[in-house]
Amino acid sequence: DAGVIQSPRHEVTEMGQEVTLRCKPISGHNSLFWYRQTMMRGLELLIYFNNNVPIDDSGMPEDRFSAKMPNASFSTLKIQPSEPRDSAVYFCASRLAGGPPYEQYFGPGTRLTVT
Amino acid sequence: DAKTTQPPSMDCAEGRAANLPCNHSTISGNEYVYWYRQIHSQGPQYIIHGLKNNETNEMASLIITEDRKSSTLILPHATLRDTAVYYCIAPDDKIIFGKGTRLHILP
Repeated sequence: DAGVIQSPRHEVTEMGQEVTLRCKPISGHNSLFWYRQTMMRGLELLIYFNNNVPIDDSGMPEDRFSAKMPNASFSTLKIQPSEPRDSAVYFCASRLAGGPPYEQYFGPGTRLTVT
Repeated sequence: DAKTTQPPSMDCAEGRAANLPCNHSTISGNEYVYWYRQIHSQGPQYIIHGLKNNETNEMASLIITEDRKSSTLILPHATLRDTAVYYCIAPDDKIIFGKGTRLHILP
């Protein structure tokens, strides 16, 4: 298995632009998580899905952030409009259906820079 | 989440066992202890988890004290590729990574 796949790996954009981050979870995993990591705040959970349904989005910073999971093999995290304070590494993780709840498998991350 | 306390950094000679301690004195009876690590510029990697009994897998061993107030992650034969930040967590409803222990493997 290729593991969790994220694209793009790096994104540089200007303030005000829309940014879309993509994630393909491991096949057979039914839970998907989006995290953000910064030096100041560490790793933060933004939102997670079970069986393509958003369960907890309390970590989503504000209305500029939205996430979708149209099917079991694809999810997007969109920021519109982007701001410099959104600069961070965004990780996607997935979990095996029925497995331990915190045994998550992370992707390589997308490093976002908003100028 | 139970609060966990780890030393900020540790050194270990290549080929030796790396023993990473974690205190979780406020852990509740049904909270598991999970260990992750993060190699530079990579995503966090799950290592192992346990509740009461010691656990071992292909990556590491986890020793949990009988009172469950502390645990030790053991990498039996550390290599340079084990250089990473190691996180001990006791999640309640979500994973919260603290600052972890930065492990340096010395050649």
